[in-house]
Amino acid sequence: GESVGLHLPTLSVQEGDNSIINCAYSNSASDYFIWYKQESGKGPQFIIDIRSNMDKRQGQRVTVLLNKTVKHLSLQIAATQPGDSAVYFCAETSSYSGAGSYQLTFGKGTKLSVIP
Amino acid sequence: GAVVSQHPSRVICKSGTSVKIECRSLDFQATTMFWYRQFPKKSLMLMATSNEGSKATYEQGVEKDKFLINHASLTLSTLTVTSAHPEDSSFYICSARVLGTSGGQPQHFGDGTRLSIL
Repeated sequence: GESVGLHLPTLSVQEGDNSIINCAYSNSASDYFIWYKQESGKGPQFIIDIRSNMDKRQGQRVTVLLNKTVKHLSLQIAATQPGDSAVYFCAETSSYSGAGSYQLTFGKGTKLSVIP
Repeated sequence: GAVVSQHPSRVICKSGTSVKIECRSLDFQATTMFWYRQFPKKSLMLMATSNEGSKATYEQGVEKDKFLINHASLTLSTLTVTSAHPEDSSFYICSARVLGTSGGQPQHFGDGTRLSIL
């Protein structure tokens, strides 16, 4: 079946540098994308989302970019801090799910390690 | 807002025991809740979709008689792992969608339940 995947399983960055986490999706019907942060032993925490009618969205220190042409999603974290160390998952769904359940499909995850 | 509480956070029990996990939306109503399973260093795998007042929809390969789901109210869904065995040991996570929202809204997750079967 179709799935969401990630290019890099691990990423180490120096504190203060910018981080970029990438994600590739294959379901062309997906029109809503979310980035989650998961710390050890906890559930995923919502970071930022983007709809397919946009190609960029900014939050506090985070930016999500969407390239529908190549089905690519990225999460940029500015001035990465030790507290940003976690596993980051992209997730996609279709807001017009026929089942009406709006199920999410998660990518494999990228572990971000911030070096102090 | 949009807080999901999951209880218990950790369970250790003997093989053959049935374990119930609760998922509550604390400050919103949720028609739909989702149950996931996560293995170490792996992504979340959807097990089932829980719909208030109706039967849950299970993903392929998930035994509905093994993983019983009840969604009796707009703020509570439960997952019962029946006759649990060591291979059922895992991290179980629930999520919920805010009632009345369109598809373009995030799911909100609980903090998971670490189940260990001896």
